[in-house]
Amino acid sequence: SQKIEQNSEALNIQEGKTATLTCNYTNYSPAYLQWYRQDPGRGPVFLLLIRENEKEKRKERLKVTFDTTLKQSLFHITASQPADSATYLCALVTNDYKLSFGAGTTVTVRA
Amino acid sequence: GAVVSQHPSRVICKSGTSVKIECRSLDFQATTMFWYRQFPKKSLMLMATSNEGSKATYEQGVEKDKFLINHASLTLSTLTVTSAHPEDSSFYICSARDLTGTSGEQYFGPGTRLTVT
Repeated sequence: SQKIEQNSEALNIQEGKTATLTCNYTNYSPAYLQWYRQDPGRGPVFLLLIRENEKEKRKERLKVTFDTTLKQSLFHITASQPADSATYLCALVTNDYKLSFGAGTTVTVRA
Repeated sequence: GAVVSQHPSRVICKSGTSVKIECRSLDFQATTMFWYRQFPKKSLMLMATSNEGSKATYEQGVEKDKFLINHASLTLSTLTVTSAHPEDSSFYICSARDLTGTSGEQYFGPGTRLTVT
């Protein structure tokens, strides 16, 4: 069966450190992968998209890698700040543009 | 970035009544919108794909007569929860795909919290 797993439900880190989140998938052949941020009681906000032929993407303090051999994406938040505290969702995109989401990892950055 | 709105943001209704939720793309056109529901501390589950000018396509296990979808224009899709029951209480979120986006970027609305008493 198809599965998307995000490494942990919660991640607590000290301000200034790098948070690394993992997204693993099985039985999918995604055209691309997206990462979203979701705050409590709000809809997801698009952060980054990475295509199957791209290894790495960056946007400000965010970095995403995509390894289609390992079927894994890593999401890094560098120089983390308390404002980065949120739930981060990975989503696989199939050819019909449907999104399949992982359960999310809730990141808490301590000042 | 593209903006998607939802109305209402919160609604409380009695068992047996119907509730309509609107999803609008404010600054772009969307031939396709998606409806999701999310339970506390769970991921978003796709319910249906709303296609402008045609019938919606529903995911397995989602009752089309229960969750009526209408996509009457390129900027508006509505989800009507008919004869709502307490188990329909959830967070409903829509998204819209920007036609001009190269990779089908989807933009999400802020969500609607439905509570059925």
